[in-house]
Amino acid sequence: DIQMTQSPSAMSASVGDRVTITCRASQGISNYLAWFQQKPGKAPKRLIYAASSLQSGVPSRFSGSGSGTEFTLTISSLQPEDFATYYCLQHNSYPWTFGQGTKVEIK
Amino acid sequence: EVQLLESGGGLVQPGGSLRLSCAASGFTISSYAMSWVRQAPGKGLEWVSGISGSGGSTYYADSVRGRFTISRDNSENTLYLQMNSLRAEDTAIYYCAKDRPQTVGATWADAFDSWGQGTMVTVSS
Repeated sequence: DIQMTQSPSAMSASVGDRVTITCRASQGISNYLAWFQQKPGKAPKRLIYAASSLQSGVPSRFSGSGSGTEFTLTISSLQPEDFATYYCLQHNSYPWTFGQGTKVEIK
Repeated sequence: EVQLLESGGGLVQPGGSLRLSCAASGFTISSYAMSWVRQAPGKGLEWVSGISGSGGSTYYADSVRGRFTISRDNSENTLYLQMNSLRAEDTAIYYCAKDRPQTVGATWADAFDSWGQGTMVTVSS
């Protein structure tokens, strides 16, 4: 099985900060990597697919990069509505696997 | 508009069974693989099971293999998850999600764009 190691597990940041979250795959997954945002009591919402493609309707301050085994989600200027938990998902080979999640909290 | 609506959750005793349903609308369900994803209280997301567009191929996480069965009825636009021999650790919100497109020429990486609102399963005596 492919393990997805996501870091950090939690972080405190201020409005306007640049935030970077990383996912490392235990083996190559090409670009079969998606990023999700989840707020309490809500279903996950896809932000990025194919490692770097922005979901329609998602603000351009969100971006994704990487290929193979290392991937990054960047929020260029954190907004109040961005405080949430973020997950990566690999869907290159079964079983699909999620990262452990990154909780972004207000500093 | 794509909609996924799960149902069938509830309270069940350890060792019991439950069948979840996910009613899909707004897209041609047979053109997509589908998945179930769960989230235990206060925990992260866990992929549980997936099925190809035709239903001919099924996949499971090790934690549920042999106990859960995924199926679909494309004529009814519905995805199912039959859960047997339930354990306390199966307690979670269960989401259905639209997985990879299955049509020729589609971008396989364009997956998991739509999720249901989830249905809660509680396994407790």
